[in-house]
Amino acid sequence: SQKIEQNSEALNIQEGKTATLTCNYTNYSPAYLQWYRQDPGRGPVFLLLIRENEKEKRKERLKVTFDTTLKQSLFHITASQPADSATYLCALGAGSYQLTFGKGTKLSVIP
Amino acid sequence: GAVVSQHPSWVICKSGTSVKIECRSLDFQATTMFWYRQFPKQSLMLMATSNEGSKATYEQGVEKDKFLINHASLTLSTLTVTSAHPEDSSFYICSAERGFGYNEQFFGPGTRLTVL
Repeated sequence: SQKIEQNSEALNIQEGKTATLTCNYTNYSPAYLQWYRQDPGRGPVFLLLIRENEKEKRKERLKVTFDTTLKQSLFHITASQPADSATYLCALGAGSYQLTFGKGTKLSVIP
Repeated sequence: GAVVSQHPSWVICKSGTSVKIECRSLDFQATTMFWYRQFPKQSLMLMATSNEGSKATYEQGVEKDKFLINHASLTLSTLTVTSAHPEDSSFYICSAERGFGYNEQFFGPGTRLTVL
Protein backbone atom coordinates (compact mmCIF):
# COMPACT_ATOMS: atom_id res chain seq x y z
CA SER A 1 0.00 0.00 0.00
CA GLN A 2 1.03 3.61 -0.47
CA LYS A 3 3.09 5.02 2.34
CA ILE A 4 4.24 8.57 2.98
CA GLU A 5 6.70 9.38 5.74
CA GLN A 6 7.72 12.81 6.91
CA ASN A 7 11.09 12.57 8.58
CA SER A 8 10.14 13.62 12.04
CA GLU A 9 7.06 14.52 13.96
CA ALA A 10 8.72 17.66 15.31
CA LEU A 11 11.69 19.80 14.37
CA ASN A 12 13.18 22.66 16.40
CA ILE A 13 15.44 25.17 14.72
CA GLN A 14 17.09 28.44 15.63
CA GLU A 15 15.80 31.62 14.02
CA GLY A 16 17.79 32.56 10.93
CA LYS A 17 18.85 29.00 10.13
CA THR A 18 17.58 26.90 7.24
CA ALA A 19 14.92 24.36 8.12
CA THR A 20 14.91 21.17 6.04
CA LEU A 21 11.94 18.84 6.11
CA THR A 22 11.87 15.46 4.40
CA CYS A 23 9.07 13.55 2.74
CA ASN A 24 9.67 9.96 1.61
CA TYR A 25 7.20 7.72 -0.13
CA THR A 26 6.91 4.09 -1.17
CA ASN A 27 4.63 2.08 -3.45
CA TYR A 28 3.60 5.22 -5.29
CA SER A 29 4.48 6.97 -8.54
CA PRO A 30 3.08 10.45 -8.07
CA ALA A 31 2.65 12.86 -10.93
CA TYR A 32 3.26 15.76 -8.55
CA LEU A 33 4.01 16.54 -4.96
CA GLN A 34 2.73 19.44 -2.90
CA TRP A 35 3.65 21.08 0.37
CA TYR A 36 1.13 22.69 2.66
CA ARG A 37 1.31 24.65 5.88
CA GLN A 38 -1.22 23.98 8.62
CA ASP A 39 -1.66 26.07 11.74
CA PRO A 40 -3.47 24.64 14.80
CA GLY A 41 -7.21 24.38 14.28
CA ARG A 42 -6.99 25.61 10.69
CA GLY A 43 -7.14 24.07 7.26
CA PRO A 44 -3.95 23.54 5.24
CA VAL A 45 -2.62 26.36 3.10
CA PHE A 46 -1.02 25.54 -0.24
CA LEU A 47 2.66 26.49 -0.54
CA LEU A 48 4.32 24.82 -3.49
CA LEU A 49 3.69 22.19 -6.14
CA ILE A 50 6.43 20.31 -7.97
CA ARG A 51 5.82 17.92 -10.83
CA GLU A 52 7.58 14.64 -11.50
CA ASN A 53 9.63 16.12 -14.33
CA GLU A 54 10.87 19.02 -12.19
CA LYS A 55 13.90 18.85 -9.93
CA GLU A 56 13.49 22.02 -7.94
CA LYS A 57 11.00 24.81 -7.30
CA ARG A 58 11.48 28.06 -5.43
CA LYS A 59 9.15 30.62 -3.96
CA GLU A 60 10.63 33.44 -1.92
CA ARG A 61 12.35 31.75 1.07
CA LEU A 62 10.96 28.32 0.19
CA LYS A 63 12.63 25.67 -1.92
CA VAL A 64 11.38 22.21 -2.80
CA THR A 65 13.26 19.39 -4.48
CA PHE A 66 11.80 16.22 -5.92
CA ASP A 67 13.87 13.11 -6.55
CA THR A 68 11.73 10.39 -8.12
CA THR A 69 14.64 7.94 -8.01
CA LEU A 70 15.07 8.31 -4.27
CA LYS A 71 11.30 8.76 -3.89
CA GLN A 72 11.95 11.79 -1.76
CA SER A 73 11.15 15.48 -1.53
CA LEU A 74 13.03 18.01 0.55
CA PHE A 75 11.39 21.23 1.72
CA HIS A 76 13.67 24.08 2.77
CA ILE A 77 12.85 27.32 4.54
CA THR A 78 15.81 29.69 4.50
CA ALA A 79 16.33 32.45 7.06
CA SER A 80 13.63 30.89 9.21
CA GLN A 81 11.48 33.12 11.40
CA PRO A 82 9.29 32.39 14.44
CA ALA A 83 6.28 33.09 12.19
CA ASP A 84 7.27 30.03 10.15
CA SER A 85 6.39 27.82 13.12
CA ALA A 86 3.60 25.49 11.99
CA THR A 87 2.98 21.95 10.83
CA TYR A 88 4.08 21.28 7.28
CA LEU A 89 2.38 18.57 5.26
CA CYS A 90 3.54 16.91 2.10
CA ALA A 91 0.94 15.47 -0.23
CA LEU A 92 1.27 13.30 -3.30
CA GLY A 93 -1.06 13.36 -6.22
CA ALA A 94 -1.74 11.64 -9.51
CA GLY A 95 -4.01 12.42 -12.40
CA SER A 96 -7.26 12.05 -10.47
CA TYR A 97 -6.50 15.17 -8.40
CA GLN A 98 -6.83 13.17 -5.21
CA LEU A 99 -4.11 13.86 -2.71
CA THR A 100 -2.54 11.51 -0.17
CA PHE A 101 -1.13 13.36 2.83
CA GLY A 102 1.71 12.63 5.19
CA LYS A 103 1.24 13.14 8.93
CA GLY A 104 3.20 16.34 8.89
CA THR A 105 6.23 17.76 10.65
CA LYS A 106 5.69 20.34 13.37
CA LEU A 107 8.33 23.03 12.94
CA SER A 108 9.22 25.32 15.81
CA VAL A 109 11.52 28.25 15.10
CA ILE A 110 13.13 29.43 18.29
CA PRO A 111 13.96 33.15 18.60
CA GLY B 1 -8.06 34.65 -4.95
CA ALA B 2 -9.02 30.99 -4.48
CA VAL B 3 -10.75 31.32 -1.12
CA VAL B 4 -12.75 28.47 0.35
CA SER B 5 -15.05 28.97 3.31
CA GLN B 6 -16.67 26.48 5.66
CA HIS B 7 -19.64 26.88 7.92
CA PRO B 8 -19.92 26.37 10.80
CA SER B 9 -16.38 26.61 12.13
CA TRP B 10 -17.35 24.50 15.11
CA VAL B 11 -20.41 22.61 16.25
CA ILE B 12 -21.38 20.65 19.34
CA CYS B 13 -24.31 18.28 19.08
CA LYS B 14 -25.99 15.48 20.94
CA SER B 15 -25.53 11.87 19.93
CA GLY B 16 -28.09 10.80 17.35
CA THR B 17 -28.57 14.19 15.73
CA SER B 18 -27.52 15.18 12.22
CA VAL B 19 -25.09 17.95 11.40
CA LYS B 20 -24.65 19.73 8.07
CA ILE B 21 -21.36 21.37 7.09
CA GLU B 22 -21.16 23.74 4.13
CA CYS B 23 -18.15 24.29 1.91
CA ARG B 24 -18.09 27.21 -0.52
CA SER B 25 -15.57 28.40 -3.08
CA LEU B 26 -15.93 32.16 -2.90
CA ASP B 27 -14.12 33.47 -5.96
CA PHE B 28 -13.82 30.55 -8.33
CA GLN B 29 -15.83 27.67 -9.65
CA ALA B 30 -14.72 24.36 -8.25
CA THR B 31 -15.11 21.45 -10.59
CA THR B 32 -14.24 19.06 -7.81
CA MET B 33 -14.48 19.31 -4.05
CA PHE B 34 -13.00 16.98 -1.49
CA TRP B 35 -13.95 16.16 2.08
CA TYR B 36 -11.30 15.17 4.60
CA ARG B 37 -11.31 14.16 8.23
CA GLN B 38 -8.39 14.80 10.55
CA PHE B 39 -7.91 13.33 14.01
CA PRO B 40 -5.41 14.90 16.42
CA LYS B 41 -1.80 14.51 15.31
CA GLN B 42 -2.91 12.52 12.29
CA SER B 43 -2.80 13.22 8.59
CA LEU B 44 -5.77 14.35 6.59
CA MET B 45 -7.77 11.34 5.49
CA LEU B 46 -9.79 11.68 2.33
CA MET B 47 -13.40 10.72 2.87
CA ALA B 48 -14.95 11.44 -0.49
CA THR B 49 -14.58 13.24 -3.80
CA SER B 50 -17.49 15.33 -4.97
CA ASN B 51 -18.19 16.52 -8.50
CA GLU B 52 -20.91 19.01 -9.24
CA GLY B 53 -24.12 17.37 -10.39
CA SER B 54 -23.02 13.80 -9.81
CA LYS B 55 -22.82 11.35 -6.96
CA ALA B 56 -19.84 11.55 -4.64
CA THR B 57 -17.15 8.90 -4.73
CA TYR B 58 -16.43 7.58 -1.26
CA GLU B 59 -13.14 6.16 -0.02
CA GLN B 60 -13.02 2.63 1.29
CA GLY B 61 -14.38 2.38 4.80
CA VAL B 62 -16.44 5.58 4.63
CA GLU B 63 -20.17 4.94 4.94
CA LYS B 64 -22.00 6.86 2.25
CA ASP B 65 -25.31 6.62 4.10
CA LYS B 66 -23.78 8.18 7.18
CA PHE B 67 -21.82 10.93 5.47
CA LEU B 68 -24.15 12.42 2.89
CA ILE B 69 -22.55 14.69 0.34
CA ASN B 70 -24.41 17.03 -1.96
CA HIS B 71 -22.63 19.11 -4.60
CA ALA B 72 -25.47 21.16 -5.99
CA SER B 73 -23.45 23.90 -7.68
CA LEU B 74 -19.92 24.73 -8.76
CA THR B 75 -19.43 26.77 -5.59
CA LEU B 76 -21.17 24.73 -2.89
CA SER B 77 -20.79 21.27 -1.44
CA THR B 78 -22.37 20.06 1.79
CA LEU B 79 -21.48 17.20 4.10
CA THR B 80 -24.18 15.91 6.43
CA VAL B 81 -23.14 13.66 9.28
CA THR B 82 -26.29 11.67 10.02
CA SER B 83 -27.05 10.17 13.42
CA ALA B 84 -23.75 11.44 14.77
CA HIS B 85 -21.97 9.52 17.51
CA PRO B 86 -19.02 10.50 19.74
CA GLU B 87 -16.61 8.59 17.49
CA ASP B 88 -17.56 10.97 14.67
CA SER B 89 -16.02 13.84 16.63
CA SER B 90 -13.22 15.16 14.47
CA PHE B 91 -11.96 18.06 12.38
CA TYR B 92 -13.66 18.05 9.00
CA ILE B 93 -11.97 19.96 6.19
CA CYS B 94 -13.11 20.52 2.64
CA SER B 95 -11.03 21.52 -0.32
CA ALA B 96 -11.78 22.69 -3.81
CA GLU B 97 -9.86 22.02 -6.98
CA ARG B 98 -9.92 24.71 -9.58
CA GLY B 99 -9.65 22.50 -12.63
CA PHE B 100 -8.21 23.49 -15.98
CA GLY B 101 -4.98 21.65 -15.26
CA TYR B 102 -4.31 23.28 -11.90
CA ASN B 103 -3.55 20.61 -9.34
CA GLU B 104 -3.34 22.59 -6.13
CA GLN B 105 -6.26 22.28 -3.78
CA PHE B 106 -7.56 25.19 -1.75
CA PHE B 107 -8.70 24.23 1.70
CA GLY B 108 -11.40 25.60 3.89
CA PRO B 109 -10.65 26.58 7.49
CA GLY B 110 -12.18 23.36 8.82
CA THR B 111 -15.11 22.49 11.06
CA ARG B 112 -14.57 21.08 14.53
CA LEU B 113 -17.38 18.62 15.31
CA THR B 114 -17.90 17.45 18.87
CA VAL B 115 -20.60 14.88 19.52
CA LEU B 116 -21.61 14.50 23.15
